[in-house]
Amino acid sequence: QKEVEQNSGPLSVPEGAIASLNCTYSDRGSQSFFWYRQYSGKSPELIMFIYSNGDKEDGRFTAQLNKASQYVSLLIRDSQPSDSATYLCAVELYMEYGNKLVFGAGTILRVKS
Amino acid sequence: SAVISQKPSRDICQRGTSLTIQCQVDSQVTMMFWYRQQPGQSLTLIATANQGSEATYESGFVIDKFPISRPNLTFSTLTVSNMSPEDSSIYLCSVEGRTGEVGYTFGSGTRLTVV
Repeated sequence: QKEVEQNSGPLSVPEGAIASLNCTYSDRGSQSFFWYRQYSGKSPELIMFIYSNGDKEDGRFTAQLNKASQYVSLLIRDSQPSDSATYLCAVELYMEYGNKLVFGAGTILRVKS
Repeated sequence: SAVISQKPSRDICQRGTSLTIQCQVDSQVTMMFWYRQQPGQSLTLIATANQGSEATYESGFVIDKFPISRPNLTFSTLTVSNMSPEDSSIYLCSVEGRTGEVGYTFGSGTRLTVV
């Protein structure tokens, strides 16, 4: 089983709709979870992070975490064509020598105008 | 967040040769991370570089193929040795956020093509 799993998509939504991106992880000890957005040819940029169970909202983005189910999601409200990108779920793992970030395969999101 | 300068931004190399990628950070950081992103794939961690100690490599990556230097707290290099076309990828360096900051920042990446 991979450490972080995502549906690779593509996920297509119409402009103005809610895009829902999902991620599961295998390490029950993980405490920190991140969503990165990556445009084609660019490096990843952090858009959301979440540490506690429940929802966390920032503008049009809502991150949801359920540690019992080992599940993280990202909701994008009022999706815009500029949201079209690959969304990477990342989980921070704690190792003897320090922390490291492990990424899922990424979900391609296409917002159609 | 930290600002990372990574170079070269891209290169085309002959098989059998080596390429050294540099990352310079605008502040001191304890750990630097090197990732590979193969075409159409996600990011795979190659190794973690601590200043003053040998890098820690992930499963499937070895020091002979990807030697790393970390001479100080703001700089690191990754060398891709004895390259083959399968090494054609984007290589990214990354650092943790500064104290009080969240998340990890990435360099702009090095797009490597091996012919």
